[in-house]
Amino acid sequence: KQEVTQIPAALSVPEGENLVLNCSFTDSAIYNLQWFRQDPGKGLTSLLLIQSSQREQTSGRLNASLDKSSGRSTLYIAASQPGDSATYLCAVRPWETSGSRLTFGEGTQLTVNP
Amino acid sequence: GAGVSQSPRYKVAKRGQDVALRCDPISGHVSLFWYQQALGQGPEFLTYFQNEAQLDKSGLPSDRFFAERPEGSVSTLKIQRTQQEDSAVYLCASSLPGVGPQHFGDGTRLSIL
Repeated sequence: KQEVTQIPAALSVPEGENLVLNCSFTDSAIYNLQWFRQDPGKGLTSLLLIQSSQREQTSGRLNASLDKSSGRSTLYIAASQPGDSATYLCAVRPWETSGSRLTFGEGTQLTVNP
Repeated sequence: GAGVSQSPRYKVAKRGQDVALRCDPISGHVSLFWYQQALGQGPEFLTYFQNEAQLDKSGLPSDRFFAERPEGSVSTLKIQRTQQEDSAVYLCASSLPGVGPQHFGDGTRLSIL
C-alpha cells in the first residue's frame, strides 16, 4: 500500500526566505506526483504536476523536483511572501492503468511572517 | 461552470440521520472523484466515476456510504445512519480522461452531533 509522508508538518519563516518542503512515498511505481495548496476552509488548488518521466517542473517562484527511484519530491518556494501561507499537500497517482486515485500526504502547514 | 461546485458548503446533522452531498463537476470532465478529509489530515480516496460508471469504490469506509452519478455529470454522495466519526470535509474532484490534474471543489464540511 502506498504511503506518502511530508516533512516538516509545520514551518514558520520570515518573509523573503527561500524554503523547501519535502515529500516521500514508499512505492516508486507512480504515474505522476502533484503538489497542491489548501487555504483554510477551501478546496485544493493544483500547483505543479510532475509526470514520472520528468525530473522537475517550474511555475513562477515554485519549483518541484521528483526522484522516483528514491521515492522523494521537493517543493522549493523562492522569496516567500505572506500570501504563500497555506497548507501544502503532495499526492501521487499510481501507475495502474485503471487507477486514478490520488494518495496524499498529511501536508505541511506553512506560515510566512511579514 | 468555471470550477467544481459542491453543496451544501456546511451540513450539520444529528447522529443517525441520512445526509446527501452534491458535486457538480467541470463541464466536459468525465472523471469524478470523492475524497474524505479529517481535520489536520490529507484527503483520503473514497470512490471514482468515469461518466456514469463507478469504477472504484474501494475507499468507501462502510456500506452506509453510497455514491451515484446517474447521468454522468452531477454526483451525489449519500451517508446513511450517520455517526460521529463521519464528521469531516468531503471533497469532490473532476478531471478530463487520461492523466491530467484533478480539479477540486471547496468541499462540504459535515458535522455530526
